[in-house]
Amino acid sequence: DGGITQSPKYLFRKEGQNVTLSCEQNLNHDAMYWYRQDPGQGLRLIYYSQIVNDFQKGDIAEGYSVSREKKESFPLTVTSAQKNPTAFYLCASSSTAGETQYFGPGTRLLVL
Amino acid sequence: QKEVEQDPGPLSVPEGAIVSLNCTYSNSAFQYFMWYRQYSRKGPELLMYTYSSGNKEDGRFTAQVDKSSKYISLFIRDSQPSDSATYLCAMRPMNNNAGNMLTFGGGTRLMVKP
Repeated sequence: DGGITQSPKYLFRKEGQNVTLSCEQNLNHDAMYWYRQDPGQGLRLIYYSQIVNDFQKGDIAEGYSVSREKKESFPLTVTSAQKNPTAFYLCASSSTAGETQYFGPGTRLLVL
Repeated sequence: QKEVEQDPGPLSVPEGAIVSLNCTYSNSAFQYFMWYRQYSRKGPELLMYTYSSGNKEDGRFTAQVDKSSKYISLFIRDSQPSDSATYLCAMRPMNNNAGNMLTFGGGTRLMVKP
């Protein structure tokens, strides 16, 4: 089955802790994206990557970091500098010539 | 002013009603238009995809684009309780040098009551 997987489904972060959210796709897509969604709100772009070993900041990159060492994987780290990390995090991917983006199931991050 | 505006709702309708969901936008360069459906605590799933102006039908769903008015619509016929979800519109220009970057509306929450 082709698709995008995100893990874990729920993640708890303690004060001052860095946590990493996993995103994997087997669609052979070149581009991958991370979004943050707050309750009752739309999607805000955190980071995106069009190719391996390259990525760009989105609208709300502060307090987050990413890597793109493999085409299939685009992990997101929520650092301790992100003071309000509680949100629903969505990963998406698209092919270079593709028309649109396809989303994973999401990870809900909660602060203890 | 946001680039894409979408009424957040909630929009509550009885089962079997025709639902109209809408987005307005300000960027005349937008050429590709999408509708995503998002169930609570799930990722958005692509429902409809259209290019430029006109209509596109898929089962009970019809997407309509009016570029002259910068207005897109999603119609749902014979609405079902299973259609209860948040509907997000998204759009992008023809040439997207920054990758397939989409601009999203804030989503409309739809509730279909049995």
